[in-house]
Amino acid sequence: DAGITQSPRHKVTETGTPVTLRCHQTENHRYMYWYRQDPGHGLRLIHYSYGVKDTDKGEVSDGYSVSRSKTEDFLLTLESATSSQTSVYFCATRVGGGSYEQYFGPGTRLTVT
Amino acid sequence: AQKITQTQPGMFVQEKEAVTLDCTYDTSDQSYGLFWYKQPSSGEMIFLIYQGSYDEQNATEGRYSLNFQKARKSANLVISASQLGDSAMYFCAMREYGGATNKLIFGTGTLLAVQP
Repeated sequence: DAGITQSPRHKVTETGTPVTLRCHQTENHRYMYWYRQDPGHGLRLIHYSYGVKDTDKGEVSDGYSVSRSKTEDFLLTLESATSSQTSVYFCATRVGGGSYEQYFGPGTRLTVT
Repeated sequence: AQKITQTQPGMFVQEKEAVTLDCTYDTSDQSYGLFWYKQPSSGEMIFLIYQGSYDEQNATEGRYSLNFQKARKSANLVISASQLGDSAMYFCAMREYGGATNKLIFGTGTLLAVQP
C-alpha cells in the first residue's frame, strides 16, 4: 500500500467542460501512472511520469494531459470532456529500481453527460 | 505487439476448493514480468503476486501461486482453499520491458464467484 489517494472519487460533468483529477502519494515513489478502466478492455495506460516534470504518453492519451510539479502529486486533465471519457480512472505508483509492482489508488468514477 | 489473454470471463468455485485462473501472454521480449491483481466489488486494485521471466521458481504468496510455464507462455493463478472473500475480478498483467515506462498491459479479467 503506497498511501495513494485520488480526488474526487466521483464526478459528473458536462460535455465540453475541463476536468482535473488529482493523485496524491505519500511514499515518495518515483513513477506514477494514470489508467482508465472500461468494460471489456481491462486497464489501459493514459500517461505516466518518471519524475518531477517528466511525463510521457501511454496508449490512450488523446484528449488528456498531465502534470507533475511535485513528487507526491500527479494531475490528469481532460481539456474538454467527451462522453467517450466516461470511465473509472486509476492512479498507480511504482517505487522504481528493481521493484516492478505498481500500487493503485482507489479510483475516480467520472461520468460525462 | 504484447498481449494478455484471459479466456475465462467468469468462474465458480466451491468454498475451500482450489481454483486456477488462466492467463496466456504474447511477447517477443526476453525480459518481462507477469502480475495478478484482484479487484473486489468495492473497486480497488489489489496487487497479489509477481513473476519475473528469469525467475526459476514459481512465485507464491500465501494461498496464491503463479503457475509459470514459459514455453507455453502461460501464467495461471492458483488460489488454494478458496474463501468467500476471494470473490472478485482478477486481472493478469504483463510488464512491458524497457525505459522509464515499465507500463502494465492488462487482460480483460476473470470474474470469480466463490460459493458456500
